[in-house]
Amino acid sequence: GQNIDQPTEMTATEGAIVQINCTYQTSGFNGLFWYQQHAGEAPTFLSYNVLDGLEEKGRFSSFLSRSKGYSYLLLKELQMKDSASYLCAVRDRNYQLIWGAGTKLIIKP
Amino acid sequence: ETGVTQTPRHLVMGMTNKKSLKCEQHLGHNAMYWYKQSAKKPLELMFVYSLEERVENNSVPSRFSPECPNSSHLFLHLHTLQPEDSALYLCASSQDEASNTEAFFGQGTRLTVV
Repeated sequence: GQNIDQPTEMTATEGAIVQINCTYQTSGFNGLFWYQQHAGEAPTFLSYNVLDGLEEKGRFSSFLSRSKGYSYLLLKELQMKDSASYLCAVRDRNYQLIWGAGTKLIIKP
Repeated sequence: ETGVTQTPRHLVMGMTNKKSLKCEQHLGHNAMYWYKQSAKKPLELMFVYSLEERVENNSVPSRFSPECPNSSHLFLHLHTLQPEDSALYLCASSQDEASNTEAFFGQGTRLTVV
């Protein structure tokens, strides 16, 4: 079966750095997405990786290793507004999106 | 605001009721999706429409009935639901169904079945 694993919950301190990991086992691979979802709101797109390496976008970076079936989302200079759930999703060989259950990130002052 | 609008935001319905969820996008996208989001579970893809034709139906019970009258609108008709159907129902759209472009989500309808 196809599977995406990410931690259920993480806690970090304002101003610090946090890394949210995602591992996947899918039938083929056509890219990996990270989304942010604040409570009661729509998931919003953060990043897309299809080649190995690091993609940096301001305070957020996303890394991919296809050989290891592994990605992480790195958040720097954490702000209180970064408290949200972070969803990892992989497109399989049929371009269907397989979703993780999300990581709830709690930021403390 | 993501460009995808869902109504209503909240819905409480009895098990014998019939209701409809509405989704609208004016992003010029060709693909639209219905997802079910339950607490601490992955998003479950329910239906996919591409150019107004249904291309995916992931073994969804017949008490959920989608309708896509045009490329900008998507409905989910509900009837004789069960309490376990209570969840957040998310609509999304993307440029195409089989591409690497990201999906844009609506804010969802929080459905409670009593």
